[in-house]
Amino acid sequence: NAGVTQTPKFRILKIGQSMTLQCTQDMNHNYMYWYRQDPGMGLKLIYYSVGAGITDKGEVPNGYNVSRSTTEDFPLRLELAAPSQTSVYFCASSYFQRGASTDTQYFGPGTRLTVL
Amino acid sequence: AQTVTQSQPEMSVQEAETVTLSCTYDTSENNYYLFWYKQPPSRQMILVIRQEAYKQQNATENRFSVNFQKAAKSFSLKISDSQLGDTAMYFCAFMKHGVEGNEKLTFGTGTRLTIIP
Repeated sequence: NAGVTQTPKFRILKIGQSMTLQCTQDMNHNYMYWYRQDPGMGLKLIYYSVGAGITDKGEVPNGYNVSRSTTEDFPLRLELAAPSQTSVYFCASSYFQRGASTDTQYFGPGTRLTVL
Repeated sequence: AQTVTQSQPEMSVQEAETVTLSCTYDTSENNYYLFWYKQPPSRQMILVIRQEAYKQQNATENRFSVNFQKAAKSFSLKISDSQLGDTAMYFCAFMKHGVEGNEKLTFGTGTRLTIIP
């Protein structure tokens, strides 16, 4: 059971380039999330998904896109990278069952992205 | 909107001593959850402890315990018998309870804790 895995661990992009950050979980969680962490700050939610085929915006969605074609995978796409997107990106997942207590979010190891 | 405030950017303590990290939050919700996450230099976000607001009893996980004061909207973390491996950033986080479960974590800005040998 690997939990939440993210690739790549590090990446340097030039302004205007695009890339996809990969996230996979093997815990059969229905909810998945993308956060970004800027230096000295807490995490902020970019996008989230409550199940395959369903995504929604979080607090800071501009400049990003997501898709959720399977339960396991939740890739984050950066189009036209900008220096403001230099950050550490975390993927997380949790399991929600109606009527049950909210489950804890489990995080991947993060991807450090630098845009120059 | 919810806010989470951690007023101690940095703290340090001698190994084996006890340290308390502060967290306050602002919400109009009555049903919610509070969390402490640890982020060591590896950057991995690790859940330390969680508290359901409807529970009066403070949560405890081995050397980690919380002091949850709902009326004061305070949620402090106490680490007893601190160890070198406790050196990390600690984030307090809030999540309101929603029927659909699609509620988001709101994080504080973190406290950098250093355990001194």
